[in-house]
Amino acid sequence: EVHLVESGGVVVQPGGSLRLSCTASEFSFDDYTMHWVRQAPGKGLEWVSLIGWDAFTTDYADSVKGRFTISRDNSRRSLYLQMNSLRAEDTALYYCSADFQHWGPGTLVIVSS
Amino acid sequence: QAGLTQPPSMSKGLRQTATLTCTGNVNNVGNQGAAWLQQHQGHPPKLLSYRNNNRPSGISERFSTSRSGNIASLTITGLQPEDEADYYCLARDSSLSVWVFGGGTKLTVL
Repeated sequence: EVHLVESGGVVVQPGGSLRLSCTASEFSFDDYTMHWVRQAPGKGLEWVSLIGWDAFTTDYADSVKGRFTISRDNSRRSLYLQMNSLRAEDTALYYCSADFQHWGPGTLVIVSS
Repeated sequence: QAGLTQPPSMSKGLRQTATLTCTGNVNNVGNQGAAWLQQHQGHPPKLLSYRNNNRPSGISERFSTSRSGNIASLTITGLQPEDEADYYCLARDSSLSVWVFGGGTKLTVL
């Protein structure tokens, strides 16, 4: 069974930084385009970023462009999201997903003073 | 950014058929279609259908999808209590190089 597990979510002050991680097991991690998707409390899904299987291609939602950086380490079967200049509106449950086929349980980021 | 429009809610009776819609534009739904995901409260989303209207392994045949122009549809036949969930469409916007979700439709099974 495919497993994705996110970590790194905490309470952080506005303007702060945070690095989320997502570790994969039981599937061919390096075959997949990986995505970060977030969901604010009580709200819908919002696509955040993607990275191609070879890390060559990256895309970002306008709402995070210039503040967030996605990366991956296929040797560690891991996906990362470096989040800088955090804002209150970045508060959400952050999911990692393999091509939208496989999802982790999410990690909660709260941006608050 | 361009978004996808879904009706916020729908109510249908047990064993009835529900058809959920997702309206985009020529650059997203009209270009490569839409995927559909189901999300139960407190759980991560689950992929129901790829953009080419194929179902992943393990997804019931009661879920089917189609597209007409810029409008994608998800049809659920023989509604069951476990179908009560939020349903999201998802498409790639080729002009903006981003993925976009619809706002979601909350389906209630009466």
